[in-house]
Amino acid sequence: DGGITQSPKYLFRKEGQNVTLSCEQNLNHDAMYWYRQDPGQGLRLIYYSQIVNDFQKGDIAEGYSVSREKKESFPLTVTSAQKNPTAFYLCASSIGGTVNTEAFFGQGTRLTVV
Amino acid sequence: SQQGEEDPQALSIQEGENATMNCSYKTSINNLQWYRQNSGRGLVHLILIRSNEREKHSGRLRVTLDTSKKSSSLLITASRAADTASYFCATGFSGNTPLVFGKGTRLSVIA
Repeated sequence: DGGITQSPKYLFRKEGQNVTLSCEQNLNHDAMYWYRQDPGQGLRLIYYSQIVNDFQKGDIAEGYSVSREKKESFPLTVTSAQKNPTAFYLCASSIGGTVNTEAFFGQGTRLTVV
Repeated sequence: SQQGEEDPQALSIQEGENATMNCSYKTSINNLQWYRQNSGRGLVHLILIRSNEREKHSGRLRVTLDTSKKSSSLLITASRAADTASYFCATGFSGNTPLVFGKGTRLSVIA
């Protein structure tokens, strides 16, 4: 089945640790995105990538890092510099940009700081 | 920055009734999309309407777009308990600019 897979579904992080969230897609999409969702605030863009080996910061990139070494994969690292990382993280992909195309979303990773 | 603002924030209706959600945005767009999110899950695309379109239908969904007022509405007819979810509008732009999402409307359909 084609789709976008995020793992793990739940993740717990201790203070001061870096953690990496996985996002893999087999849709052959060029563009991939990471969004953060907090209660009552909708989705906010963290990073996005339109092509392999290239990515751009979104609205809330501070404390996060990404890589795009393969077309299928776009992992997100939540670093210790992110002071309030507890949130629901959503990865998405699209054919290329959002001009008249839809985004496909993974099922999300819920990150909790303990 | 969030461009779309959905209204109302929450909506509770009886099964069989129609549900209407509105979305307002600030800048010119290429298209507007509506997504659905069940609790704790990812978003699912419902419908896309281009800036040169005024109305679009998909099953029990009807979307309108008024670019002069920078607003869109999503109508779900004959709602079912299974329609209970959050609904988000997202604005799409020319080029490779990512979608910008609103804060969503939480719809509860009571059986």
